[in-house]
Amino acid sequence: AQSVTQLDSHVSVSEGTPVLLRCNYSSSYSPSLFWYVQHPNKGLQLLLKYTSAATLVKGINGFEAEFKKSETSFHLTKPSAHMSDAAEYFCVVMPLPGSSNTGKLIFGQGTTLQVKP
Amino acid sequence: ETGVTQSPTHLIKTRGQQVTLRCSSQSGHNTVSWYQQALGQGPQFIFQYYREEENGRGNFPPRFSGLQFPNYSSELNVNALELDDSALYLCASSLAGGWEAFFGQGTRLTVV
Repeated sequence: AQSVTQLDSHVSVSEGTPVLLRCNYSSSYSPSLFWYVQHPNKGLQLLLKYTSAATLVKGINGFEAEFKKSETSFHLTKPSAHMSDAAEYFCVVMPLPGSSNTGKLIFGQGTTLQVKP
Repeated sequence: ETGVTQSPTHLIKTRGQQVTLRCSSQSGHNTVSWYQQALGQGPQFIFQYYREEENGRGNFPPRFSGLQFPNYSSELNVNALELDDSALYLCASSLAGGWEAFFGQGTRLTVV
């Protein structure tokens, strides 16, 4: 079975400092991995996706993530946090290979990112 | 905005009642997935509909059921509501063969 584990339930950074949100995955296949963000009272928004192409994936709003098969990790980073980055972040795996399973997603428990002025 | 709309935005029901939640998918998307997000948790996959047929189901009992209409909009029905059904219900639409699922803002269901 496939799963993702977000290693921190809460991360607090100061504005302008780097952000690191950690995610480990478990998969029998070469996984498709995603990061979604959820702002209060808003829907989930896709930040970036890894689908077996380049291992360093760039997303929106300056975020990027690196797929490391040897470490089964897919950590999300941003060089400089902005106040508007404060939100809930979810690491997500698609359970079976193939785009026919688009939308059948397994979510981690989430990491709350707090950005202090 | 994703173009996926859900209604209603908030709902309060009594234990034992039935509820219907609605979702209009993004234009051109033929697949709709439903998720339950309990407070402080990540969303959990309920089921998916593709061309009006159920196309996969998560670990939810049969009292959770759904429909997809010819225009690809969808309904989620929950019978015999329990207190633990209180959650944010999210709908996501996608195009079969595509990689991205687009989420609506959700319906907040409270069961009292």
